[in-house]
Amino acid sequence: AQTVTQSQPEMSVQEAETVTLSCTYDTSESDYYLFWYKQPPSRQMILVIRQEAYKQQNATENRFSVNFQKAAKSFSLKISDSQLGDAAMYFCAYRSAQKPWGLTFGEGTQLTVNP
Amino acid sequence: GAGVSQSPRYKVTKRGQDVALRCDPISGHVSLYWYRQALGQGPEFLTYFNYEAQQDKSGLPNDRFSAERPEGSISTLTIQRTEQRDSAMYRCASSSSGGAMDTQYFGPGTRLTVL
Repeated sequence: AQTVTQSQPEMSVQEAETVTLSCTYDTSESDYYLFWYKQPPSRQMILVIRQEAYKQQNATENRFSVNFQKAAKSFSLKISDSQLGDAAMYFCAYRSAQKPWGLTFGEGTQLTVNP
Repeated sequence: GAGVSQSPRYKVTKRGQDVALRCDPISGHVSLYWYRQALGQGPEFLTYFNYEAQQDKSGLPNDRFSAERPEGSISTLTIQRTEQRDSAMYRCASSSSGGAMDTQYFGPGTRLTVL
């Protein structure tokens, strides 16, 4: 079974600064997908960014980018120019390509953005 | 509809009662997922439907939990003889085709409290 680990329960960043959230995962599969979801205080789940494991190029979405290290099974999220609205719980998630059923989530990282 | 909707948003029940949680996916979405999220943790996969077929129920914790999607649209998650440990946020998600890369759009969740 796949596991996802987020070793930082809490992180904080100053507004306009950059922060990196860590995620590692364990799998024996070679083809899979990785996601970062954001859960603001409203407790909605919002997709931030996704990465295909077969692509070497790191995904980017505006101020959000990932550092995907397949050999190390690492998938970190970098938020540039942090904004107050980025404050949320961030979840890393894994999905198999062979059996694409549900997502496997990590424990989450609570991000605080200080003005 | 515009997004995934779930009802009720909050449910308080007494131990031993049965509860039914409803999910209305985005119109036309083929795939539907149920997750359970304990406070301070990431969502945990419960079950998956492709149209009306339940293709994966490996995450259902025990036989008190069941789900159906009889017409391939609205789904109901039923918990029989509820226990206090069943208290959690129950989330539904849908995706357009069920492909591994597909974005899963989450509903607002049903907060279940078992007294």
